[in-house]
Order: sequence, then C-alpha cells, then structure tokens
Amino acid sequence: DTEVTQTPKHLVMGMTNKKSLKCEQHMGHRAMYWYKQKAKKPPELMFVYSYEKLSINESVPSRFSPECPNSSLLNLHLHALQPEDSALYLCASSLLGQTNTGELFFGEGSRLTVL
Amino acid sequence: AQSVTQLGSHVSVSEGALVLLRCNYSSSVPPYLFWYVQYPNQGLQLLLKYTSAATLVKGINGFEAEFKKSETSFHLTKPSAHMSDAAEYFCAVSDRSGGSNYKLTFGKGTLLTVNP
Repeated sequence: DTEVTQTPKHLVMGMTNKKSLKCEQHMGHRAMYWYKQKAKKPPELMFVYSYEKLSINESVPSRFSPECPNSSLLNLHLHALQPEDSALYLCASSLLGQTNTGELFFGEGSRLTVL
Repeated sequence: AQSVTQLGSHVSVSEGALVLLRCNYSSSVPPYLFWYVQYPNQGLQLLLKYTSAATLVKGINGFEAEFKKSETSFHLTKPSAHMSDAAEYFCAVSDRSGGSNYKLTFGKGTLLTVNP
C-alpha cells in the first residue's frame, strides 16, 4: 500500500476546463514532487517543493500551476491543457536534510486525458 | 552531470529462469542508486537502493543488485522469474553533490516479460 495518495485516479477534461490533481502524504516528508510520465517513457520531473516553497520548476508551461498548501498536501492546477498533456501524473515525496538519499516515495498516479 | 543507461529496452525470460536487467551509471561523485518497478497503470515502487553500505543489496520480491564501482554498474538480478515479475523496471541515480533537493535521474526503462 502506498503512503502517498493521489486523487483522482482518472480525469478526463476538455481544453477549456479547469481541474486540479491532489496529492497527500503523512510520512513527515518535507519535499514533494510532480512528475509527468508518457507511455513507455520514464517519469519527467515537473516541480519540486521543499519546506512548502517551490524550489525547482523544470520550465513547465504556465497552464500547469502547482500549489503546496501545507507540508502534507500538494496540488496541481490544470487550465487550458492540450491533448499532448495527456499522461500519467505522479506525485512523490522524500526526506530532506542529512538523512536524505534521494529516495522518492511515489503515489499511484492520476491518469489524465485531455480531449 | 549524472546519467543512467539501461541496456535493453525489452527483456524476455521464461518462468523460472534468471532475470538480469542491466544498468550503468555516470556520476562525478559516489552516487546513490535505485531500482524501481512499475506495474501497468500504477506508480513506481522501490525495489532496492544502494547508499554506500554493502555493495550487494537485497530488495523486495527476491531481487538483488550489486554495485560495482570499477564497472560503474548496478545490475538487477533475480534467480528465478515469476509471472508476477512482468513489469517496467527503472534504474535511477541520485548523486550527493546536491543541496537539500535531489533530482533523481531515471534510465529509459526495461520492460520485462515472463513467458510461461
């Protein structure tokens, strides 16, 4: 059982819709990540939050807007997406500081389809 | 810059046969190395990790990997394949030169199929 919970598991949206993906973890991790994964490809990093502050943005288009309301929650707000944005969106979390080895704990993902 | 190369995008074995998935890394400093498994329509699950303790690392589901610095390799093995091992496997590297944020670099993945 994963300790990183993502909702919804599946989302279908039109190009004019506004929707959000949600992620929650209760492991006390202070880093949270959004990855995008296309079929038969490795995950691609989108955003990293450290101590609730955005620390890495991998030049992601502004139609993707991340938010970290607190240390347990991570959102990804979606607006005016394109069909090529259809993918599996993975949330992950990790420790920070001396005990950090870079190990990521992944959620099950949210499968997004843009029509 | 760190990088990972997984040799073979697709490996096919018979049930009961040895599984060997190859991973070579490039890093300017001693790395942390990981193998993740992904079943269809699921997230990534950690199989095992190397963090500079023992060079032979045992993981879940009977998998193990050996860190060989001289060969810059971290190959994943399992003595006897099971049908349930069919999945996509990703090798990843995270070096120690970063600050508080680590960016895992993933290999392109190896799809393992297991034939009855």
